[in-house]
This record gives sequence, C-alpha cells and structure tokens, in this order.
Amino acid sequence: AQSVTQLDSQVPVFEEAPVELRCNYSSSVSVYLFWYVQYPNQGLQLLLKYLSGSTLVKGINGFEAEFNKSQTSFHLRKPSVHISDTAEYFCAVSRIIQGAQKLVFGQGTRLTINP
Amino acid sequence: GAGVSQSPSNKVTEKGKDVELRCDPISGHTALYWYRQSLGQGLEFLIYFQGNSAPDKSGLPSDRFSAERTGGSVSTLTIQRTQQEDSAVYLCASSLSRQAYEQYFGPGTRLTVT
Repeated sequence: AQSVTQLDSQVPVFEEAPVELRCNYSSSVSVYLFWYVQYPNQGLQLLLKYLSGSTLVKGINGFEAEFNKSQTSFHLRKPSVHISDTAEYFCAVSRIIQGAQKLVFGQGTRLTINP
Repeated sequence: GAGVSQSPSNKVTEKGKDVELRCDPISGHTALYWYRQSLGQGLEFLIYFQGNSAPDKSGLPSDRFSAERTGGSVSTLTIQRTQQEDSAVYLCASSLSRQAYEQYFGPGTRLTVT
C-alpha cells in the first residue's frame, strides 16, 4: 500500500526566508507525486507535479520540488517566501488503479509566514 | 472559465438527519471525485465516477454514505442518519479524464453535525 508522510505539521518562517516542506512516500512501484496548496476557506490547487523526467520540478508561485528516488522523498522548497504563501500544503502520491488515478494525501503542513 | 462549484458552502445539521451535498464539475470533465477532509484523518478518498460507468465506492466509510452522478455531470453525495463523526469538509474534484493527472478541486462543503 502507498502512504505519504509529511514530517512537519506546522512550519513558521519569516517573510523572505527560504522554506522547505518535507514529504516522504512509500511505494514499491513507480509513482506520480504532487504538491497541492489550500488557502484558507478554499479548495486545493495544484502547485506542481512529478510524472517522469527531470527530478527537479518547478511549479507556480516560485515553488519547486525535487524527486529523490533513493530517499523516497519529494520535498517542496521556495527560496524566499511571501506573506501570501501562508496556507496548508499537501503532498500526494498517485497510481493508476483500474484505469483511474487515485490520490493518497499526506496529513498536510501548515505554513505560517511572519512579517 | 468556471471551476468546480459545490453547494452549500456550509451545512449545520442535527444528528440523525440526512444531508445532500452537491458538486458541479468543470464542463467537459468526465472524471469526478469526492474526498473528505477532517481533523485527525487528513484527506480521504470517498468515491470516484468516470462518465456513465459504475462508480468506485471503495472509499465510502459506511453504508450511510452514497453518491450519484446524473447525466455524467452533477454529483450529489448523500449522508443518511448523520453522526457527529461525519463533521468534516467534503471536497469534490474533477479531471479531464480518468487518466488525467491534474484534479481540479471545488471550495468544499463544511458539514457540522450537532
């Protein structure tokens, strides 16, 4: 079975500081990996995805993530955060099961940006 | 264009009552998913529809939960005899096809069972 572990439930950082949100997954087969962001009182929005190819994936709002197969990790990074990045971030792993994509989410990391 | 919409945005109901939650997917999206987001459980897959095919109900937590999708578009999630543990945010998502990798999420319905 697949699972996703987000190692930090909350991450506070100062504005303009760098941030890394950690995500580890377990799977015995090839996976597709995603990061979603959820702003207060909104649904989830896709930040970036890894399907294949380059292990460094760039997404929206200046975020990027690196797929590391040997460490089964897919950590999310941003070199300089802004107040507007305050949100909850979810890492997810996907497989095609019976022809359909199934997403398994981590527990989420709440990112708080302090001025 | 219009995104995924859900109604109501908030629902407060008494324990034991039935509730219906509605989802309008993006036009042309054939795949539709329901998830539940609750404290302590994170985001859980509930049910999946692809076009007019039989739904994948493998994530439904009990037989009090059911869903239907009419005409391959609008979906309704019904919870019968609600319990306090049903309190959560119910999220709907749609994607272009069953193999499309990006799912587009609605804003959710916050259900509170008193």
